[in-house]
Amino acid sequence: AQSVTQPDIHITVSEGASLELRCNYSYGATPYLFWYVQSPGQGLQLLLKYFSGDTLVQGIKGFEAEFKRSQSSFNLRKPSVHWSDAAEYFCAVRNNNNDMRFGAGTRLTVKP
Amino acid sequence: SQTIHQWPATLVQPVGSPLSLECTVEGTSNPNLYWYRQAAGRGLQLLFYSVGIGQISSEVPQNLSASRPQDRQFILSSKKLLLSNSGFYLCAWSRYSGNTIYFGEGSWLTVV
Repeated sequence: AQSVTQPDIHITVSEGASLELRCNYSYGATPYLFWYVQSPGQGLQLLLKYFSGDTLVQGIKGFEAEFKRSQSSFNLRKPSVHWSDAAEYFCAVRNNNNDMRFGAGTRLTVKP
Repeated sequence: SQTIHQWPATLVQPVGSPLSLECTVEGTSNPNLYWYRQAAGRGLQLLFYSVGIGQISSEVPQNLSASRPQDRQFILSSKKLLLSNSGFYLCAWSRYSGNTIYFGEGSWLTVV
């Protein structure tokens, strides 16, 4: 069965610093990959997705993610974090059978 | 454009009371519909999904049920709530043949 691992439960970065959130998946084929962001008490907003093609995908709010098949990873990055980026981030994997799995999430704290 | 509405946003219910959370999607036809639950500090758990009117697949039913009386309406119900039902419930949708899931704003349920 497919699974998603986000190794970091909580990350703290200073405002203006770079950010990388890790995501590893387990799946036999190339899955569809997603990153979502959730602000406190709100629903999940889609940041970006990868289906095929260029392995570096650009998303909203200045985020990007890179699919690395050899490492089964889909890490989320941002060159310079803003205080408004503080939120919970979820990686998700979907196969062809309408089955979408979410990681446990990484909570991002931004220090002034 | 497509929108998803979910209500009520916040609900405090006594143990043993019934539950009804409603969700509607606008701007699309024949969507796939989902109910997720997010316990405090944890990831998302798929409860139910539906590919059409009257078609409900249950992942973790517990004391909950779902119904789809109309194409773009999805309802999460319980006859008798338990304390363990407390959490954040998210309705979501995807296009029938699509791979991206879009979320509503969520409903906070506190069972007291």
